[in-house]
Amino acid sequence: AQSVTQLDSHVSVSEGTPVLLRCNYSSSYSPSLFWYVQHPNKGLQLLLKYTSAATLVKGINGFEAEFKKSETSFHLTKPSAHMSDAAEYFCVVSVLRGNEKLTFGTGTRLTIIP
Amino acid sequence: GAVVSQHPSRVICKSGTSVKIECRSLDFQATTMFWYRQFPKQSLMLMATSNEGSKATYEQGVEKDKFLINHASLTLSTLTVTSAHPEDSSFYICSATDYRGPDTQYFGPGTRLTVL
Repeated sequence: AQSVTQLDSHVSVSEGTPVLLRCNYSSSYSPSLFWYVQHPNKGLQLLLKYTSAATLVKGINGFEAEFKKSETSFHLTKPSAHMSDAAEYFCVVSVLRGNEKLTFGTGTRLTIIP
Repeated sequence: GAVVSQHPSRVICKSGTSVKIECRSLDFQATTMFWYRQFPKQSLMLMATSNEGSKATYEQGVEKDKFLINHASLTLSTLTVTSAHPEDSSFYICSATDYRGPDTQYFGPGTRLTVL
């Protein structure tokens, strides 16, 4: 079985300050991990993914995430928040290769304070 | 690359009618397509998985006779909500995987269904 826990349902940061969105996972096998972003009434856009290569993964729009097996974490960070980063962020886990099912976290809403 | 479209983006229908939602992969051949449902302020729930030319696999609790899925080609899957009722109102999102990178799903923009 696999699961993912997003520790914060809502995060607020000031524009220009760092962003940290936390995610912990549980799986019986080596996982693939993803972060997706969803803007209001839109579909999901892939930010980055980890699939057993480098543990520090760089994504689009300046985001990156580090896979820490010992902590079973995959936290998403960005050095400096921009107003356009305001959205819902989902941490997602998949444990098998191929067209397997994704397990979604409950999401973290990121608010940027001007 | 890896663009997925959905049509319509928004639909309002009367209770008892059927609604068809299309999901297309625009620049790649989708070996598998997925249909999700998202309730307000909640995460995505997988409804079914479909492979081109074969029957869809539905998740537990999803009525296959109510949510008909057809995957007729490598670029098109359709979801038909039959005899829709107000409780079917939701945001429906499809995704697709490419044979070159089957571990990554590309999501469509979603369809907002409102049943009156």
